[in-house]
Amino acid sequence: DAGITQSPRHKVTETGTPVTLRCHQTENHRYMYWYRQDPGHGLRLIHYSYGVKDTDKGEVSDGYSVSRSKTEDFLLTLESATSSQTSVYFCASKGSSYNEQFFGPGTRLTVL
Amino acid sequence: SQQGEEDPQALSIQEGENATMNCSYKTSINNLQWYRQNSGRGLVHLILIRSNEREKHSGRLRVTLDTSKKSSSLLITASRAADTASYFCATDAQAYSGGGADGLTFGKGTHLIIQP
Repeated sequence: DAGITQSPRHKVTETGTPVTLRCHQTENHRYMYWYRQDPGHGLRLIHYSYGVKDTDKGEVSDGYSVSRSKTEDFLLTLESATSSQTSVYFCASKGSSYNEQFFGPGTRLTVL
Repeated sequence: SQQGEEDPQALSIQEGENATMNCSYKTSINNLQWYRQNSGRGLVHLILIRSNEREKHSGRLRVTLDTSKKSSSLLITASRAADTASYFCATDAQAYSGGGADGLTFGKGTHLIIQP
């Protein structure tokens, strides 16, 4: 498996607070992704990146922003967390356009 | 909206039997991938089949793709207790824009239980 880590692995926060999740990969992969997984919805794409400083929105991007200042790091920020953002967040990366993605272990976020 | 839809949503079989899961999707794809997720864990990539391929094997896994019907199937032969997991099909999201940078679009998964 590709070396992808996520931090923190678990977080509990309150409504209205900012939250940043970090994804770190050691494979020098060009493409990185953030998904959320909710019961009954499977995984849904939030944002993705196709290079340093190059990002774009996915299916469920409202309320989220991302940044990628280095190849290995992709940050997901919830500017003002809401209870609807309680979810499990997965980061993924891939090296070339049409190959498989490798997933991190996930971050379980609870917004009270 | 979901691109892939797996069928059945849940499947329970005896160890040693074969398990078949199906996936349907809506738009043109570059490739279709199958992932496994054990309870509370991340996703593990199983197999990728490109749009110009019809069948692919990997160990006990066999995947078929019918682009005319926009469907795929995953067959796990000689199932083991360790195969108990959720299985997801995912397609590259050509629905958003062209190229391979777009993220995958997942179905809701099939929960497979292997009874010992």
